[in-house]
Amino acid sequence: QKEVEQDPGPLSVPEGAIVSLNCTYSNSAFQYFMWYRQYSRKGPELLMYTYSSGNKEDGRFTAQVDKSSKYISLFIRDSQPSDSATYLCAMSDGGNEKLTFGTGTRLTIIP
Amino acid sequence: NAGVTQTPKFRILKIGQSMTLQCTQDMNHNYMYWYRQDPGMGLKLIYYSVGAGITDKGEVPNGYNVSRSTTEDFPLRLELAAPSQTSVYFCASSYGTGGRNTIYFGEGSWLTVV
Repeated sequence: QKEVEQDPGPLSVPEGAIVSLNCTYSNSAFQYFMWYRQYSRKGPELLMYTYSSGNKEDGRFTAQVDKSSKYISLFIRDSQPSDSATYLCAMSDGGNEKLTFGTGTRLTIIP
Repeated sequence: NAGVTQTPKFRILKIGQSMTLQCTQDMNHNYMYWYRQDPGMGLKLIYYSVGAGITDKGEVPNGYNVSRSTTEDFPLRLELAAPSQTSVYFCASSYGTGGRNTIYFGEGSWLTVV
């Protein structure tokens, strides 16, 4: 079993839809949770960061962490074509050098 | 705002050749990292550095070497290139460690070994 599991997609949704992206993990020591967005032929960029359990909202993006279920989610409201990218979850039990990445979900928003 | 700059962007190597991927950052970050990204495998840490003169192995260090003589630069050396090193390589940096310290990535270097 991989330490972090992420559905690779691809996922295609119409513009304006709500998108749900998910990751599950097996290491109960993880306490830092991140979502990165990666456009084609570019490096990943940090989108959301959450410490421990709970929700965090930033504009159209909401990150949720459920440590009891070892499950994290990223919701995108009112999705836009500019949201088309690969989304990577990442998590760590301590330093950045211990960051474990998911394989990424490729998302396409259809105008 | 340059951020993290990697060169070259694309390179084709023959089996057994050696090369160096260059990385420089202008954010005065202490921590620097080299990752590789393979299809369906996610990002894997090759080496990292917590400051000038200090480097350490990540998850997949075999076949690579690094050095950190200055805060800004963190080159990655491939010795005796093998087809298994065909990948996309990302250099990254952060001010500190711990989840609160954002990692900034370069734009990537596409390497093919034939």
